[in-house]
Amino acid sequence: NAGVMQNPRHLVRRRGQEARLRCSPMKGHSHVYWYRQLPEEGLKFMVYLQKENIIDESGMPKERFSAEFPKEGPSILRIQQVVRGDSAAYFCASSPPGAETYEQYFGPGTRLTVT
Amino acid sequence: GDSVTQMEGPVTLSEEAFLTINCTYTATGYPSLFWYVQYPGEGLQLLLKATKADDKGSNKGFEATYRKETTSFHLEKGSVQVSDSAVYFCALKNGGTSYGKLTFGQGTILTVHP
Repeated sequence: NAGVMQNPRHLVRRRGQEARLRCSPMKGHSHVYWYRQLPEEGLKFMVYLQKENIIDESGMPKERFSAEFPKEGPSILRIQQVVRGDSAAYFCASSPPGAETYEQYFGPGTRLTVT
Repeated sequence: GDSVTQMEGPVTLSEEAFLTINCTYTATGYPSLFWYVQYPGEGLQLLLKATKADDKGSNKGFEATYRKETTSFHLEKGSVQVSDSAVYFCALKNGGTSYGKLTFGQGTILTVHP
């Protein structure tokens, strides 16, 4: 059973461009969480999604950031008009139904660098 | 809101030394507590967990006990190895309206020298 897949692993964008980060959860997992790790800091929750639904986006910046988890395909975290402060590692985690009780499995992360 | 505080790092030890990384938390209700490990360039891996007071989580020689009276979940290992060098994160998961999201501490960098 393959683990959580994220791509790309490294992404470089110039200020003002768009960044699209993809996350394929483990087989059988229908819950996806996105976390951001700024340099020298711990991970901060961004958003929790189930298939076709955003359940909790309390950690998402109000502007430029959006997330989706369509019925088919990976979950996408989209950052529009990136700025230098968006440079960070973005981690996706997935869990089976019953997210409150099951372990979250993390992907290897996407390291975004904004130049 | 919920929060997790870890001891200041980094921590540098010689092989076979005793390890303690302190972790305290603030949360409403009865959270579950976790230690995650992150090796260079990789994602987080669950190291151990405890779901209720006085539970002891253990894995790969690491242990942590859920202490509700002191709101702590300190990580210990009796004899560290060079391969234990990594970043360690303490985290909690609260039920209720938090939807199971994890709240992390800032991480502690551990370096073990031969």
